[in-house]
Amino acid sequence: QQQVKQSPQSLIVQKGGIPIINCAYENTAFDYFPWYQQFPGKGPALLIAIRPDVSEKKEGRFTISFNKSAKQFSLHIMDSQPGDSATYFCAALDSSETSGSRLTFGEGTQLTVNP
Amino acid sequence: GAVVSQHPSRVICKSGTSVKIECRSLDFQATTMFWYRQFPKKSLMLMATSNEGSKATYEQGVEKDKFLINHASLTLSTLTVTSAHPEDSSFYICSARPTRLAAFPDTQYFGPGTRLTVL
Repeated sequence: QQQVKQSPQSLIVQKGGIPIINCAYENTAFDYFPWYQQFPGKGPALLIAIRPDVSEKKEGRFTISFNKSAKQFSLHIMDSQPGDSATYFCAALDSSETSGSRLTFGEGTQLTVNP
Repeated sequence: GAVVSQHPSRVICKSGTSVKIECRSLDFQATTMFWYRQFPKKSLMLMATSNEGSKATYEQGVEKDKFLINHASLTLSTLTVTSAHPEDSSFYICSARPTRLAAFPDTQYFGPGTRLTVL
């Protein structure tokens, strides 16, 4: 019940394309869904996050779509650039006091944006 | 904002020695800090959760006597890998969750990671 399933495992797009990464969860106690971007040899960096009371959030070229009834959320990257090539992790957090503040991570998606 | 540092970024040591890794939240106080291990092309594996002033909570399968965690203040946690062996070679990443009074969203902010190589 704690799993977050992420797909695809890897993704290759051309510059300007719109890669889409999908995640699904089971635990209805999750109430915060961040996306992290990780470059090789670096720690994950918070990219964008959403709470389940909204269906979409946009920050710059990054958009999260959230479907509460389906327990799914996705990341869209508009006008993708070679510099967006990285590994992307979705995550889910149960922010209640009893959860221990633990993030549950997806397996990651390695994105390559070709010039 | 919400910057977390780790030191050292890279360490090479001989088998049998101990290595200490520091994790600091630079611009916020963190009640809770987390230590992860990451294998190449894999997701982050939570090792332990530490709260300031109390003992760390280790995940199943993580040896608490081998991976000593100290969380002495609201901005500093340390991970000591004791009697390191080659199989401990990995990328270790810490994260910190701001206190509820902090001006940052309530999630985890990650350090840049420490690459440990045990010869």
